[in-house]
Amino acid sequence: DAGVTQSPTHLIKTRGQQVTLRCSPKSGHDTVSWYQQALGQGPQFIFQYYEEEERQRGNFPDRFSGHQFPNYSSELNVNALLLGDSALYLCASSFGTDREEYFGPGTRLTVT
Amino acid sequence: AQSVTQPDIHITVSEGASLELRCNYSYGATPYLFWYVQSPGQGLQLLLKYFSGDTLVQGIKGFEAEFKRSQSSFNLRKPSVHWSDAAEYFCAVGHFTGGGNKLTFGTGTQLKVEL
Repeated sequence: DAGVTQSPTHLIKTRGQQVTLRCSPKSGHDTVSWYQQALGQGPQFIFQYYEEEERQRGNFPDRFSGHQFPNYSSELNVNALLLGDSALYLCASSFGTDREEYFGPGTRLTVT
Repeated sequence: AQSVTQPDIHITVSEGASLELRCNYSYGATPYLFWYVQSPGQGLQLLLKYFSGDTLVQGIKGFEAEFKRSQSSFNLRKPSVHWSDAAEYFCAVGHFTGGGNKLTFGTGTQLKVEL
């Protein structure tokens, strides 16, 4: 039973560029959440997708957007990258209104 | 708004010694509480969770946590630490509504285990 998978593992981008991160949820899960974890900090909630719609959003600017596909996989897009966007981006999945989220290994984004 | 405080940024214990990691939360209703562990370069692994019922909850790897409503605390404990427990530990409170759920994390406690 595959857990949550994320790609790529690492990514280096330049300020002003755009980036897309991908996540496949755990088998049987239909809800995907994205978190940003800056160095030395706890993860911060970006948004959650369910039934291909954004269900809830944290305090992140519109430069952060997402998408969920019919197979429940998800993408996180960040436009106009800033140095401060450098972080570990974690994807978590769950089923319906279950309160337990399973996390993927993350994508390490470095913005230079 | 909900928040989580982990007062200890770093903790060092000797292998075989007992461990307690502190967590205080702020939440307007009955909280859903979690402890996660993160090894270097890894994602988060759930150690245990509290939703309701017995205030002492058991988790994986020999960890337990006690929910104390009067102190707004959910401290993590282990009677005998192993070298492999060295990692970063995060406490989180869940906010669940009909519109979805999100976790609010503390800033983490880095655990070092001395052999």
